[in-house]
Amino acid sequence: DTAVSQTPKYLVTQMGNDKSIKCEQNLGHDTMYWYKQDSKKFLKIMFSYNNKELIINETVPNRFSPKSPDKAHLNLHINSLELGDSAVYFCASSGGRFSYEQYFGPGTRLTVT
Amino acid sequence: DAKTTQPPSMDCAEGRAANLPCNHSTISGNEYVYWYRQIHSQGPQYIIHGLKNNETNEMASLIITEDRKSSTLILPHATLRDTAVYYCIVRVADGGQGGKLIFGQGTELSVKP
Repeated sequence: DTAVSQTPKYLVTQMGNDKSIKCEQNLGHDTMYWYKQDSKKFLKIMFSYNNKELIINETVPNRFSPKSPDKAHLNLHINSLELGDSAVYFCASSGGRFSYEQYFGPGTRLTVT
Repeated sequence: DAKTTQPPSMDCAEGRAANLPCNHSTISGNEYVYWYRQIHSQGPQYIIHGLKNNETNEMASLIITEDRKSSTLILPHATLRDTAVYYCIVRVADGGQGGKLIFGQGTELSVKP
């Protein structure tokens, strides 16, 4: 059983397009996150939701919009894709903000051409 | 910004202990030391965490100096599957900042046969 799953695993698209990445966790966790790992392998937090409420919004362009329909899902929608958005996007979940362990998904490699 | 400093890379012979150092000289009294690792093309994986006492689990041991300004992650019998980037992270215990993890550059550990 996959704890944190993401779809799609690979996404290739052209500049200017709008795309979404989906994340689901079956761990019953309250908190979910999106991280971005750039070409230099630097991993950085983007967003965090706790019980469907946004609690972290790092300095991310407003072209990125997370949506949490329920606490098991956190999707990431990206408008007007740019070349610099190419990266691996990781979803993660934890039992709460106070939980010591975050469980990461397998990642979605986004390539913008 | 990450509050930790790690060597960029290390080698270890298979079957030997791997000792990965981390400096966190500005750590606050309410901050824990966490270790995660990222095996190539996978999401980060939690290893261990501690406050001031040494900790051990089935994966590794964590040794924290008495002044808490540095720590060492020990993989007692490294295998080829331990080849990964290891991240040392300091994070407040009370979920401050939404529980986000701030990743540095990590140490790329290569376990060689």
